[in-house]
Amino acid sequence: EVQLVESGGGVVQPGGSLRLSCAASGFIFSTFAMSWVRQAPGRGLEWVSVISGSGSNTDYADSVKGRFTISRDNSRNTLYLQMNSLREEDTAVYFCASDVDRIMARGFDYWGQGTLVTVSS
Amino acid sequence: QSALTQPASVSGSPGQSITISCSGTSSDVGAYDYVSWHQQHPGKAPKAMIYDVSNRLSGISSRFSGSKSGNTASLTISGLQPEDEADYYCSSHTSSNTLIFGGGTKVTVL
Repeated sequence: EVQLVESGGGVVQPGGSLRLSCAASGFIFSTFAMSWVRQAPGRGLEWVSVISGSGSNTDYADSVKGRFTISRDNSRNTLYLQMNSLREEDTAVYFCASDVDRIMARGFDYWGQGTLVTVSS
Repeated sequence: QSALTQPASVSGSPGQSITISCSGTSSDVGAYDYVSWHQQHPGKAPKAMIYDVSNRLSGISSRFSGSKSGNTASLTISGLQPEDEADYYCSSHTSSNTLIFGGGTKVTVL
């Protein structure tokens, strides 16, 4: 059974940093691209970032480029999102999702349950 | 890049068929056969339903089907059931090597 379990969310002040983790199991983690997607309260889904299965390719939404960094540790089957210079508009539930593709954000097959990030003073 | 365009809401009676549209541009929906659909019940995580326009994921009912024509993709739900009441989001790969979502459609079963 495929499982994606996010952790690391919490309350942080504007300008602060937070690192999210996503522990994967039930599939060959290193084979597939992984993405982070967020959902602000009462809003729709917003794609944030993708990393290829090998970790050598990454892409970001313009809204987070230069502030967020996606990475993965295939030996630990874990995906990360380092979030710096956080803004109030980054407040959202953050989901990790596994892709059907090895390299790019093409289409997801599994989603995690999400972790809430609140940016507030 | 603006979100893909979906109707805010669609409704139907049990047993009926409904179709949700997802309109994009020649840089996303029209450029690739990489449209996906996701279902989200209130307070729950999204669930992937369809990828690559029309491929159903494992365990997804054949009542759900996807198609695409030009810059517009569609999700059809046949034999509407009460448990189909949820929000539905489309997504597409883009020429900028990113992913873009639609604004979401609330499906109501009357």
